[in-house]
Amino acid sequence: QVQLQEWGAGLLKPSETLSLTCAVYGESLSGSYWSWIRQPPGKRLEWIGEINHSGNTNYNPSLKSRVTISVDTSTNQFSLKLTSVTAADTAVYYCARYASGKWFFDLWGRGTLVTVAS
Amino acid sequence: EIVMTQSPATLSVSPGERATLSCRASQSVSTALAWYQHKPGQAPRLLIYDASTRATGIPVRFSGSGSGTQFFLTISSLQSEDFAIYYCQRYNTWPSWTFGQGTKVEI
Repeated sequence: QVQLQEWGAGLLKPSETLSLTCAVYGESLSGSYWSWIRQPPGKRLEWIGEINHSGNTNYNPSLKSRVTISVDTSTNQFSLKLTSVTAADTAVYYCARYASGKWFFDLWGRGTLVTVAS
Repeated sequence: EIVMTQSPATLSVSPGERATLSCRASQSVSTALAWYQHKPGQAPRLLIYDASTRATGIPVRFSGSGSGTQFFLTISSLQSEDFAIYYCQRYNTWPSWTFGQGTKVEI
């Protein structure tokens, strides 16, 4: 059974860098594209960006200047970095897998809450 | 940016009843529309893609319909495990995929 699990620092101060990792269990991440998605409290889900096993990335234009997604095929993990965080970046962050050849998500992690507060 | 609007925000139903959730796009997305179910503390689950195709393992009581700008998710006979938040997502054009704000189905 394929599973995704996110982890990282849960409490940040404004201007710090958010850093999260998603581990893929049960299959190689080489066969798919992978995404980060977030949901601020009371707001809708927001797609952050995507990566494949080769390191090819695409980002949401609204976040592109602050986002870096990377992949480590040796550990079957991919990561998210978001710089210069503010309270507006407080959210539950999810990693997800694209369905093969499609642009919807057929597998999600449970999510991890990141709070930005001084 | 294409905006997805779901209604109602909350739907109060009883087990065994039929529930119909709506998702409207601000411009046509053809049939590039997915529905997800999300329960607190769990990973969101894909229910429907391409507007009307059930994902693997999804019970037949879940059905999707619509095209263009108006879409529906119907749960034919609500079970206790169906009480959750439901989201739609459009994926017709890049640069970024967008989601509706969700409909909470409650008792």
